[in-house]
Amino acid sequence: EAQVTQNPRYLITVTGKKLTVTCSQNMNHEYMSWYRQDPGLGLRQIYYSMNVEVTDKGDVPEGYKVSRKEKRNFPLILESPSPNQTSLYFCASSSTGGAREQYFGPGTRLTVT
Amino acid sequence: AQSVTQLGSHVSVSEGALVLLRCNYSSSVPPYLFWYVQYPNQGLQLLLKYTSAATLVKGINGFEAEFKKSETSFHLTKPSAHMSDAAEYFCAVSTGNTDKLIFGTGTRLQVFP
Repeated sequence: EAQVTQNPRYLITVTGKKLTVTCSQNMNHEYMSWYRQDPGLGLRQIYYSMNVEVTDKGDVPEGYKVSRKEKRNFPLILESPSPNQTSLYFCASSSTGGAREQYFGPGTRLTVT
Repeated sequence: AQSVTQLGSHVSVSEGALVLLRCNYSSSVPPYLFWYVQYPNQGLQLLLKYTSAATLVKGINGFEAEFKKSETSFHLTKPSAHMSDAAEYFCAVSTGNTDKLIFGTGTRLQVFP
């Protein structure tokens, strides 16, 4: 089954404790992206990757890091989480080309206290 | 720069009534337009997309949307609402230059019996 998986689905952590949210896709997609969803703000892009070893900032990259060492994986790293990073996070992937559908993971709900 | 405006953060309809969710876009180049649906505790799922092939686009679950360049609109409609349509709906725009999706802030649809 074609899918994007994220782990963990739910995470409660404390300020400053480094964490990683994993994302993996099995569709051989070149493009992968991370979004955060906040009430009233819709989805905002954090980082994206056009292919292996190619990453770039989205609209809200501060406080986040990513890496793309393998085509299928695109982890999101929070080196020192803060309460304003409490949000719902989605990973997505697609083949390249502006009209391509993006496939979304199920989401990771992160709470930073 | 591209942007998307969704009018109405909440829309309520009775079961069997017409569903109309509004989306206006801004783009300096011909856009690709998407409607995604998010059911509770799930990721986003593509409903339909406009890629310039036809101005009236039919999607899944009986939804359709019409691209109107003169009005810069891409409103989503369904003739008869069903209880299972209750969800949050997002309009998004991209161009052929990048795979970046710009999302609207979302419209939550409630369906009453």
